Amino acid sequence: NAGVTQTPKFRVLKTGQSMTLLCAQDMNHEYMYWYRQDPGMGLRLIHYSVGEGTTAKGEVPDGYNVSRLKKQNFLLGLESAAPSQTSVYFCASTLQGTRQETQYFGPGTRLLVL
Amino acid sequence: GENVEQHPSTLSVQEGDSAVIKCTYSDSASNYFPWYKQELGKRPQLIIDIRSNVGEKKDQRIAVTLNKTAKHFSLHITETQPEDSAVYFCASRRVGGQNFVFGPGTRLSVLP
Repeated sequence: NAGVTQTPKFRVLKTGQSMTLLCAQDMNHEYMYWYRQDPGMGLRLIHYSVGEGTTAKGEVPDGYNVSRLKKQNFLLGLESAAPSQTSVYFCASTLQGTRQETQYFGPGTRLLVL
Repeated sequence: GENVEQHPSTLSVQEGDSAVIKCTYSDSASNYFPWYKQELGKRPQLIIDIRSNVGEKKDQRIAVTLNKTAKHFSLHITETQPEDSAVYFCASRRVGGQNFVFGPGTRLSVLP
């Protein structure tokens, strides 16, 4: 049971390049989330999904797209990277239900956009 | 939308002393309040949580208190140890909500 994994761990992009971050969980969780973490700003929600085939915008969705084609995977895409997207990206998942709200986080992806 | 404020942003205590971090939320429909600990370079991990139907919860050296009237909840760490040094985040989630709102974090340093 690997929990929540993220690929890649670290990436350097040039402005305008594109990339996809992969999040995978093996806990059969319904809900999945993408956050970005910047110094002094905590965790800000980018997009989330409440089930396979569904996605919704969070607090800071601009410049990002997501897809949830399989229940266990949640992909975050940057079509045209900008320096403002330099950040640490965390994926998280949680089991649906009022008593199963613990969020399990992945190890993070550190992205540097030059 | 929901807003979560967290104070202080940094906190230094001597080993063995207590530490208190306070969060204030704005949405009266919020009913679930977790606390996460994030060590340097690591992922956030849940350390304790509380629901709106209780006022206090303890787990060994850590406790969380909730004041629904004032819309604030606090993390209490007693007998602090160097391994408690980390960034602590509070969060809230409303009834039937699908996502969480996080506070900006508190960097706790426990000095030997």
